[in-house]
Amino acid sequence: EAGVAQSPRYKIIEKRQSVAFWCNPISGHATLYWYQQILGQGPKLLIQFQNNGVVDDSQLPKDRFSAERLKGVDSTLKIQPAKLEDSAVYLCASSNWPNVLTFGAGSRLTVL
Amino acid sequence: KNEVEQSPQNLTAQEGEFITINCSYSVGISALHWLQQHPGGGIVSLFMLSSGKKKHGRLIATINIQEKHSSLHITASHPRDSAVYICAAARGSQGNLIFGKGTKLSVKP
Repeated sequence: EAGVAQSPRYKIIEKRQSVAFWCNPISGHATLYWYQQILGQGPKLLIQFQNNGVVDDSQLPKDRFSAERLKGVDSTLKIQPAKLEDSAVYLCASSNWPNVLTFGAGSRLTVL
Repeated sequence: KNEVEQSPQNLTAQEGEFITINCSYSVGISALHWLQQHPGGGIVSLFMLSSGKKKHGRLIATINIQEKHSSLHITASHPRDSAVYICAAARGSQGNLIFGKGTKLSVKP
C-alpha cells in the first residue's frame, strides 16, 4: 500500500511570500488532516476533511491559511502571506476512521 | 492544563532497560494513539487502542479507560528506539486528535 505523499519536502521563502503544499492521501481514506508542527512541539491540527467537506478548521488562521480537498482526494494547503512564525513542518495524515492514522513525511517550511 | 499530558518529558535509558512512558487524558475519547517520531523524520503510528492491551515486537501499549490513562512500554530497549513518542487522544466519531507534547527518549549503548 502506498503511503501518504507530500510535496515539497522542503521550502524556503521570505516573509510575505506565498507557499502551497500538496498532499495525496492513501487511496480510499475518507479523512484527511493537516497539522502544523513547530520545532519541539507536538502537532497542532489546522484542518480536518471528511471526503471533501471540512470537519474542523477551528485552529486554521483563516486570514492567511487556506486549504481545499479536490474531489475528496488530494489536498492543498496554502499560506499567503507567510510570517516568520509559520516556520514549521506541515504534516498531512489520512485515515479511514476508525482505522489507524497514517502520516506523510511532512513539508518543512522556513520563512526568512 | 493540557487535555493530554505525557510523562516524563525527557527520558534517558541504558540499552536493555525496560522503559515506560505515561499518558493521561481528561476528555472522553474514542481511541488513543501512540506515535513515534525520529529526529528529522516523519510520524509513524505505533498503536491505536480503545481498550486493553496491544503488543508489537518489543512494544506494548495498555489503556485503562476508567482511569483515563495509557502507558507505552519498551522491553530490552535499543539505541534505535531513540525518538519522540507522542500520545494522541481521538475524540468523537470523526477521530479528531488531541496531541500530548511528546516524550523524548534517548537510549544509550
